[in-house]
Amino acid sequence: EAQVTQNPRYLITVTGKKLTVTCSQNMNHEYMSWYRQDPGLGLRQIYYSMNVEVTDKGDVPEGYKVSRKEKRNFPLILESPSPNQTSLYFCASSLGTGGSHAQYFGPGTRLLVL
Amino acid sequence: GQQVMQIPQYQHVQEGEDFTTYCNSSTTLSNIQWYKQRPGGHPVFLIQLVKSGEVKKQKRLTFQFGEAKKNSSLHITATQTTDVGTYFCAGPGSNYQLIWGAGTKLIIKP
Repeated sequence: EAQVTQNPRYLITVTGKKLTVTCSQNMNHEYMSWYRQDPGLGLRQIYYSMNVEVTDKGDVPEGYKVSRKEKRNFPLILESPSPNQTSLYFCASSLGTGGSHAQYFGPGTRLLVL
Repeated sequence: GQQVMQIPQYQHVQEGEDFTTYCNSSTTLSNIQWYKQRPGGHPVFLIQLVKSGEVKKQKRLTFQFGEAKKNSSLHITATQTTDVGTYFCAGPGSNYQLIWGAGTKLIIKP
């Protein structure tokens, strides 16, 4: 089954404790991205990757890191989480660049930073 | 910077009434995409419009892309409880990104 998976689905952590949210897709998509969703603000892109070893900042990259060592995986790293990073996070992938192809989303990761 | 504005933010309708959400871009778009997010779920791709003035239908959903390719609408005829959710439009921005509207939440009144 074609899908995007994210783990964990729910995470409670404390300020400053490094964490990684994994994302994996099995559709051989080149383009992957991370979004955060906050009430009233819609979806805001954090980082995106057009291919292996190619990543770029989205609209809200501060406090986040990503890597794309393999085509299927695109982990999101919070080196020192802060309460303002409490949010719902979605990973997405698409066949081509974000604006020209349908995005397929993972189920989301709900993060609470205390 | 480039913006995609979507209105209204919320719409309450009685089941069976129609629903419309509108999307306006600050720049001309090469295409526009629509997504639906059910409560507690993730956004799901509905459709992509590419041509100026394009109209596409999916059962009770009608999607339009404006002649100037700066605006779009989604109209749902005779809403059903299964239509509940938030509808997003999104258009390509610079740097290969997708620029998202803030979404319109469809609420069905009991």
